[in-house]
Amino acid sequence: GQNIDQPTEMTATEGAIVQINCTYQTSGFNGLFWYQQHAGEAPTFLSYNVLDGLEEKGRFSSFLSRSKGYSYLLLKELQMKDSASYLCAVSVNNAGNMLTFGGGTRLMVKP
Amino acid sequence: GAGVSQSPRYKVAKRGQDVALRCDPISGHVSLFWYQQALGQGPEFLTYFQNEAQLDKSGLPSDRFFAERPEGSVSTLKIQRTQQEDSAVYLCASSLARLADEQFFGPGTRLTVL
Repeated sequence: GQNIDQPTEMTATEGAIVQINCTYQTSGFNGLFWYQQHAGEAPTFLSYNVLDGLEEKGRFSSFLSRSKGYSYLLLKELQMKDSASYLCAVSVNNAGNMLTFGGGTRLMVKP
Repeated sequence: GAGVSQSPRYKVAKRGQDVALRCDPISGHVSLFWYQQALGQGPEFLTYFQNEAQLDKSGLPSDRFFAERPEGSVSTLKIQRTQQEDSAVYLCASSLARLADEQFFGPGTRLTVL
């Protein structure tokens, strides 16, 4: 089966940097996605990693270590609008590359 | 439209009623997925279509759940004889079906069973 763990909640200050960790145990790994989800809204794509290393996209970066089953999402220069849930999801090579999600990390950005 | 749409956005049903939830994927997207998201949790896979073929329904929680995509575009998730534990947000997602393609999610249907 699949097992994906991430912290339930985190709090950070506006302008700061926060790192959200995700560990996974899965078979048929096809890559790891991070999605952002504001309350009552659809998850929206942030990043995709399939090879080890860091992918940077503006204020957001995502890191993957396949050997360790570990990823993190790094958010820089936090803004109030970054308050949301961040979902770590692993793509597996069955069911059309279905996504298996962690429980999500609720990030609260304070002034 | 530009994105995935779902209707209705909110549905309240009495226990035992049947409900039908609709998903309009992005035009041209081959793959369509249904997920169930309980409050405060991550989405959980229900079923997957490639065009009109339902290739995986391993996540459907019971035989009261049924999904179809008869023409390979719009999909309907039907829940018969709803129970309180069916209360959740039902998310639909579509993708181009290439290996690294992101899934685009709709806003979901929030189902409340009283």
